[in-house]
Amino acid sequence: EDQVTQSPEALRLQEGESSSLNCSYTVSGLRGLFWYRQDPGKGPEFLFTLYSAGEEKEKERLKATLTKKESFLHITAPKPEDSATYLCAVRVTQGGSEKLVFGKGTKLTVNP
Amino acid sequence: SAVISQKPSRDICQRGTSLTIQCQVDSQVTMMFWYRQQPGQSLTLIATANQGSEATYESGFVIDKFPISRPNLTFSTLTVSNMSPEDSSIYLCSVDSASGGFDYNEQFFGPGTRLTVL
Repeated sequence: EDQVTQSPEALRLQEGESSSLNCSYTVSGLRGLFWYRQDPGKGPEFLFTLYSAGEEKEKERLKATLTKKESFLHITAPKPEDSATYLCAVRVTQGGSEKLVFGKGTKLTVNP
Repeated sequence: SAVISQKPSRDICQRGTSLTIQCQVDSQVTMMFWYRQQPGQSLTLIATANQGSEATYESGFVIDKFPISRPNLTFSTLTVSNMSPEDSSIYLCSVDSASGGFDYNEQFFGPGTRLTVL
């Protein structure tokens, strides 16, 4: 069964305190790993897609990396506006069609 | 990126009633998706709606409970039928960029509809 596990469930940082979020996955056929940001009361906002082990992508204070079993979302010198829930999803093929399987997310709080 | 709107943004409904959620996209897309996000749970795919064909439902979801319409390439509706408190959730519409002429493989989400069933 395709599974995505995110850790920690919640993370509280001080402004400027760098850290990483983890997304581990067990899938039969990975067709891409996605990171999303979700603010309260809003839909997920697309951040990154990673396709192969060793790939890295950056956007402002965020950097996503991918290995064969997990992905990390590194947050460098976070600011309070980075507070959100970060979702990881894998794109897999099931029953002849492609779908996204999501983790439960990591709720990040950055205190000023 | 695609701009997706949903109506209503939230609603409070009585047990046994039905609610239809609308999803409008600002560009033509082949594939549209409906997700459910329950408190403390991950986003779960309900069904995939392709224009011109019947929706494809995921395990645990049935057409009688969640009928879907897809009349054209920019619009879809999801109905939550005969509601119970267990249906209280956020319902999200999504489109796949690969079918809309965008950069391959991004998936965009609407703002969601927060449903509370009493």
